[in-house]
Amino acid sequence: GESVGLHLPTLSVQEGDNSIINCAYSNSASDYFIWYKQESGKGPQFIIDIRSNMDKRQGQRVTVLLNKTVKHLSLQIAATQPGDSAVYFCAEPTPNTGNQFYFGTGTSLTVIP
Amino acid sequence: NAGVTQTPKFQVLKTGQSMTLQCAQDMNHEYMSWYRQDPGMGLRLIHYSVGAGITDQGEVPNGYNVSRSTTEDFPLRLLSAAPSQTSVYFCASSYSWGSYEQYFGPGTRLTVT
Repeated sequence: GESVGLHLPTLSVQEGDNSIINCAYSNSASDYFIWYKQESGKGPQFIIDIRSNMDKRQGQRVTVLLNKTVKHLSLQIAATQPGDSAVYFCAEPTPNTGNQFYFGTGTSLTVIP
Repeated sequence: NAGVTQTPKFQVLKTGQSMTLQCAQDMNHEYMSWYRQDPGMGLRLIHYSVGAGITDQGEVPNGYNVSRSTTEDFPLRLLSAAPSQTSVYFCASSYSWGSYEQYFGPGTRLTVT
């Protein structure tokens, strides 16, 4: 079946630096992707999404880049803060299933003060 | 709005016991779903509902039952708990079947001994 994976299981960055979290997907027909943030002991929280007709989408301090040629997503967090410490994972819809998604396993981001 | 609420937050069961995990949302969302989250794996869909009175199986439905008698509530029942059901369970909701932005509850950590 299709799968969504993340390149690195852990990432440590210094407070104030930029963070980049990567995600690979395998279904070239996927037309929508979501990034979630999950803090320890909490449920996943929607951060930002992007449709396949876009290469880049910006939110508040976050940018998602989509490279359809190599089936790769990245989440960039600007000026990383201690409150950004969490697990981040991407998700893509499973084909013809409405709201069902494949979820990546996540990258754990630690921000060093 | 309280969003998506789940009870209990923690639960320990013995093998063979039954219990119901509660989930409620106050956003008048049509779509609700249950996921389990295990270490090293992405969220996996157990059951979902596209509206009151309608439920369907997800990726890992065995050992779980659901019902949707009201728009607000979507309980998950374990009829005979097994150690393999030790996991963190998340309930999620979204406006409709085609609406991708899901709101997750805080989770229930279940241990089956």
